Amino acid sequence: DAGITQSPRHKVTETGTPVTLRCHQTENHRYMYWYRQDPGHGLRLIHYSYGVKDTDKGEVSDGYSVSRSKTEDFLLTLESATSSQTSVYFCAIGDSNQPQHFGDGTRLSIL
Amino acid sequence: DQQVKQNSPSLSVQEGRISILNCDYTNSMFDYFLWYKKYPAEGPTFLISISSIKDKNEDGRFTVFLNKSAKHLSLHIVPSQPGDSAVYFCAAGDTGTASKLTFGTGTRLQVTL
Repeated sequence: DAGITQSPRHKVTETGTPVTLRCHQTENHRYMYWYRQDPGHGLRLIHYSYGVKDTDKGEVSDGYSVSRSKTEDFLLTLESATSSQTSVYFCAIGDSNQPQHFGDGTRLSIL
Repeated sequence: DQQVKQNSPSLSVQEGRISILNCDYTNSMFDYFLWYKKYPAEGPTFLISISSIKDKNEDGRFTVFLNKSAKHLSLHIVPSQPGDSAVYFCAAGDTGTASKLTFGTGTRLQVTL
């Protein structure tokens, strides 16, 4: 989707290092979400934002933090990466009662 | 506790026939439901949705049916085409909670020639 950009698209890092993933939107949507996709689990919500500086936890938030200082940017940070956080991470955007639209994902490997 | 379940991990259908993908949910607060399609190395793409005030919604070859009493929804694709081969995710939400969605684990559809 041209309105959502995730960076980086791929990253390999080591256990214990900090990692930040970025989601950038050009659609001016109110809500932004971070999900992780793992085999057998589908998509699970990590954190979401309902406005600038307004964020809340999702289903699997432990080990992750987020920040939203501008409408268009939503950052996901792994303070000290662990191998269990190896996953594909998707950002999504949306508005009330509208379907969420997803970015193309970031494949993160933690060795 | 899996609130949205897709019990069939995979489904194979011949081109031109009907594909039926199923989804069950447990949370009675869910009041809108969506289907997403996902190709490898891409993000999920919205396909079709239905509100709990309806029991059917159609969009071209795609129809979603909702049975609230059974807490069950299904996606029908007629006729199935090879380009429909993808992973399909069912999702459910409560419009009162920041439009958050809960996803199923997905069903991989293979449409064969």
